[in-house]
Amino acid sequence: EVQLVESGGGLVQPGGSLRLSCAASGFTFSSYDMHWVRQATGKGLEWVSAIGTAGDTYYPGSVKGRFTISRENAKNSLYLQMNSLRAGDTAVYYCARGANWGFPQPFDYWGQGTLVTVSS
Amino acid sequence: AIRMTQSPSSLSASTGDRVTITCRASQGISSYLAWYQQKPGKAPKLLIYAASTLQSGVPSRFSGSGSGTDFTLTISCLQSEDFATYYCQQYYSYPPSTFGQGTKVEIK
Repeated sequence: EVQLVESGGGLVQPGGSLRLSCAASGFTFSSYDMHWVRQATGKGLEWVSAIGTAGDTYYPGSVKGRFTISRENAKNSLYLQMNSLRAGDTAVYYCARGANWGFPQPFDYWGQGTLVTVSS
Repeated sequence: AIRMTQSPSSLSASTGDRVTITCRASQGISSYLAWYQQKPGKAPKLLIYAASTLQSGVPSRFSGSGSGTDFTLTISCLQSEDFATYYCQQYYSYPPSTFGQGTKVEIK
């Protein structure tokens, strides 16, 4: 059974940093592209970053230069390092698996999310 | 970035109804369109990809159609477990991949 379990969320002050983790199981993690998607309370979904099997990374303009996605295949883990956090980054952050045919792709499995709150 | 616009933003329907949700892309995206279902407090679930391909395990009452800029999600016979919010997503232009604003399907 595919499982994605996020951790690392919490309360952080504006300008602060936070590192999210996603533990994957039930599939060959190294063979899949992985993504982070966020959702502010009561709002829609926003794609935040992606990392390919070769370590290539992708970001939207809203987080480029502040967020860094990475993966550690030996630990079946995905990470999101978030720096220079703003109030607008407050959201539930989901880890999601890309469907196994390479970019572009939809997301076929999602974790349950971890809440990040940016506030003083 | 490609903008995805869903309509309606919400709708009220009864069990057994046929429901249609539309999604329009601001430019052509071929068939690189997915639909997700999200229930309160839960993660989104992939229903349909490539505009019309049903994800494994998804009931056949769900169907998708369209290509280019205009797409539809249809639930042929609404069940109680289908009351949720539905999102479309384009994955043609990357980055960024973009989602519609969501359509909430509520009980009439």
